[in-house]
Amino acid sequence: DAKTTQPTSMDCAEGRAANLPCNHSTISGNEYVYWYRQIHSQGPQYIIHGLKNNETNEMASLIITEDRKSSTLILPHATLRDTAVYYCIVHASTSGTYKYIFGTGTRLKVLA
Amino acid sequence: DTAVSQTPKYLVTQMGNDKSIKCEQNLGHDTMYWYKQDSKKFLKIMFSYNNKELIINETVPNRFSPKSPDKAHLNLHINSLELGDSAVYFCASSHAPGQGDTEAFFGQGTRLTVV
Repeated sequence: DAKTTQPTSMDCAEGRAANLPCNHSTISGNEYVYWYRQIHSQGPQYIIHGLKNNETNEMASLIITEDRKSSTLILPHATLRDTAVYYCIVHASTSGTYKYIFGTGTRLKVLA
Repeated sequence: DTAVSQTPKYLVTQMGNDKSIKCEQNLGHDTMYWYKQDSKKFLKIMFSYNNKELIINETVPNRFSPKSPDKAHLNLHINSLELGDSAVYFCASSHAPGQGDTEAFFGQGTRLTVV
């Protein structure tokens, strides 16, 4: 599975857009980009995923560059409850299962 | 309705003891996982089961033995507990590849403290 690189931490003002970057320069053609977040010590929560097209759901938008070597998770209007560690994961299915490999993530702090 | 539930939420035990953590999912998923999050907050996959069959074993010590009585349950039994086993253990589930949505759902974790 391809490795990902994310900034260690970021701050964002409440109500502003939070843009979280992720580099995955060794991504393979069949590997998807997934984003999860972990609020305090709760279980990781799925946010969004994509292959090569930009994606949007009720939580966030995912922008993937044309060469697929990087992506950006966008939280359009960050709230204090979005303070969490955000993980970018790149993987494909292997041997009949998924192997989600979490990196160190980005600790996002939303400031009032 | 809790999608992936783990019990207990907290577990404090002495070195050398044997303990089990239970996990149940009501999402109809075929695949279940165990992850370990250590004190440095690294989340590492331990095991993956698909239809009660072990698929992934990430060089976890033999003291850790997962057991899947059916597709909805994946329990983790740990023998001869050591101080280094102290961590938060997360259970997760997902559809198998090609069987539906690909994201995994995680439980709320079991904080194991070995003293």
